[in-house]
Amino acid sequence: EAQVTQNPRYLITVTGKKLTVTCSQNMNHEYMSWYRQDPGLGLRQIYYSMNVEVTDKGDVPEGYKVSRKEKRNFPLILESPSPNQTSLYFCASSFTGDEKLFFGSGTQLSVL
Amino acid sequence: ILNVEQSPQSLHVQEGDSTNFTCSFPSSNFYALHWYRWETAKSPEALFVMTLNGDEKKKGRISATLNTKEGYSYLYIKGSQPEDSATYLCAFTKSGYSTLTFGKGTMLLVSP
Repeated sequence: EAQVTQNPRYLITVTGKKLTVTCSQNMNHEYMSWYRQDPGLGLRQIYYSMNVEVTDKGDVPEGYKVSRKEKRNFPLILESPSPNQTSLYFCASSFTGDEKLFFGSGTQLSVL
Repeated sequence: ILNVEQSPQSLHVQEGDSTNFTCSFPSSNFYALHWYRWETAKSPEALFVMTLNGDEKKKGRISATLNTKEGYSYLYIKGSQPEDSATYLCAFTKSGYSTLTFGKGTMLLVSP
């Protein structure tokens, strides 16, 4: 089944404790992206990747890192999480950056 | 940051009503306009991707039109059903950019 797999679904952590949210797709998509969803703000792009070893900042990259060592994986890294990073996060992928996106199931992150 | 506006913010209709929403986007350097349907506790799913001025797309009772010269798209739902209740998102891609900018969405509630 074609899908974007995101883990974990829920995560509660404390300020400053490094964490990684994983994202994997099995559709051989070149483009992958991370979004965060906050009430009243809509989906905002954090980082995106056009292909392996090619990443770029989105609209709200501060406090996040990504890597794209393999085509299928695009992990989101929070080196030192802060409470303002409490949010619902979505990973998404597509063949190219302007074709329809396939979304993962989301990660609800709470930073205490 | 590109400005993508959606209206209304929310809408409550009765089963059987037809309804429509608006997405406004910058008309210069247009490349593509996406519509997504996002049900509560699920992930956004693509409805349409439109690229040409005058494009009309249809999927069952849902259809969309595109006017790139004036920078707007309409999403229509004919004979709304309770299962149509969701947030409808539009997203815009500017020519030469590899990123989607999302609007804040229109939340539709269809009562039986």
